[in-house]
Amino acid sequence: ETGVTQTPRHLVMGMTNKKSLKCEQHLGHNAMYWYKQSAKKPLELMFVYSLEERVENNSVPSRFSPECPNSSHLFLHLHTLQPEDSALYLCASSWGFATGELFFGEGSRLTVL
Amino acid sequence: GDSVTQMEGPVTLSEEAFLTINCTYTATGYPSLFWYVQYPGEGLQLLLKATKADDKGSNKGFEATYRKETTSFHLEKGSVQVSDSAVYFCALGVIIQGAQKLVFGQGTRLTINP
Repeated sequence: ETGVTQTPRHLVMGMTNKKSLKCEQHLGHNAMYWYKQSAKKPLELMFVYSLEERVENNSVPSRFSPECPNSSHLFLHLHTLQPEDSALYLCASSWGFATGELFFGEGSRLTVL
Repeated sequence: GDSVTQMEGPVTLSEEAFLTINCTYTATGYPSLFWYVQYPGEGLQLLLKATKADDKGSNKGFEATYRKETTSFHLEKGSVQVSDSAVYFCALGVIIQGAQKLVFGQGTRLTINP
């Protein structure tokens, strides 16, 4: 496999469920990111990890909990979500110490009922 | 804070028409500037970038020039194709603690008719 892989591609959950989104990068990058893409809104940066350490948390509600166990994997744990959390969640990775490209996965489409 | 403003979409053109998508930014430092493209059902992919003032990024016939004096990074293409139909995002990037933070505009949906 190459690039950035996200699973699952689609997820439907109730407001009381607990689920996780997974992201894996095979590019040897040192930084990983979660973005939220909602209809008619700009992409929102949620979390940034550099060398497995969280360096940015953009006022994201605590019902979203990120985890970066190593430089290749990033998780987004979800619990007691709201219907307005329904969106496309995009993972990305990059070499963080220089200006360069972020490589994005295809996203996980989340629907909260 | 840092922000990016793109022209409102959707934009609909005929094949071989000239394309301009306007993008302006507000930043406290000296960011890098990017255009990303998102095709249906896919993630974002880098189209072009510029890292300093007066740089021109180009790829697949698309061009954009980093204009510091007007804080702009407008995307242009001389002759669009049906395959260019997608959503285009302008973004600025700054380095933070060993990572690159990208701030995106709201996106412009482009449809090219044959």
